[in-house]
Amino acid sequence: LAKTTQPISMDSYEGQEVNITCSHNNIATNDYITWYQQFPSQGPRFIIQGYKTKVTNEVASLFIPADRKSSTLSLPRVSLSDTAVYYCLVGGDPDSNYQLIWGAGTKLIIKP
Amino acid sequence: EAQVTQNPRYLITVTGKKLTVTCSQNMNHEYMSWYRQDPGLGLRQIYYSMNVEVTDKGDVPEGYKVSRKEKRNFPLILESPSPNQTSLYFCASGRGDRGREKLFFGSGTQLSVL
Repeated sequence: LAKTTQPISMDSYEGQEVNITCSHNNIATNDYITWYQQFPSQGPRFIIQGYKTKVTNEVASLFIPADRKSSTLSLPRVSLSDTAVYYCLVGGDPDSNYQLIWGAGTKLIIKP
Repeated sequence: EAQVTQNPRYLITVTGKKLTVTCSQNMNHEYMSWYRQDPGLGLRQIYYSMNVEVTDKGDVPEGYKVSRKEKRNFPLILESPSPNQTSLYFCASGRGDRGREKLFFGSGTQLSVL
């Protein structure tokens, strides 16, 4: 089964690019990688999803190397409002009964 | 507005007193699930449902029950709550793409069992 590992916390400054990496060494062939953002007292919110290579949307990019054993969420030009907990989620392989494996979350603090 | 609605937002109860946390979604999603979130432990899945009348255990199902009699609702039942079930609970729904779900979460229910 895939296990996801991500840093417990990270600090950065407004205007910087932030990269958060998730390790998932045992990712299954048909697992997808998804990232969520969570603010205090709210439910997680979908940010981006990918299977391989690079995916970009209006808020973030997701980089997945060829071996898919890790993934990196990239947040361009962060602001104070990006302070939140970011979760990596791996799963969906039918051979693993479509199980979803959540990382423990990375608390990102953006400073002025 | 597309949303997942959980009620109540806060609940304080005593050990052994049955309770139900309701969850409803208005997106016609097939997939629904319940999570609990505890400090240092992240999100842990309790139960999930791929469709009406189909439910499966997640990682921590002990002490919980669910039912899926209609597509939009997925209540979480604690028949005899205990203090170790004090936690923040989230309901989520998705289209049911088997792992490619973009999950939509409710605002959470903070439960305290005394």
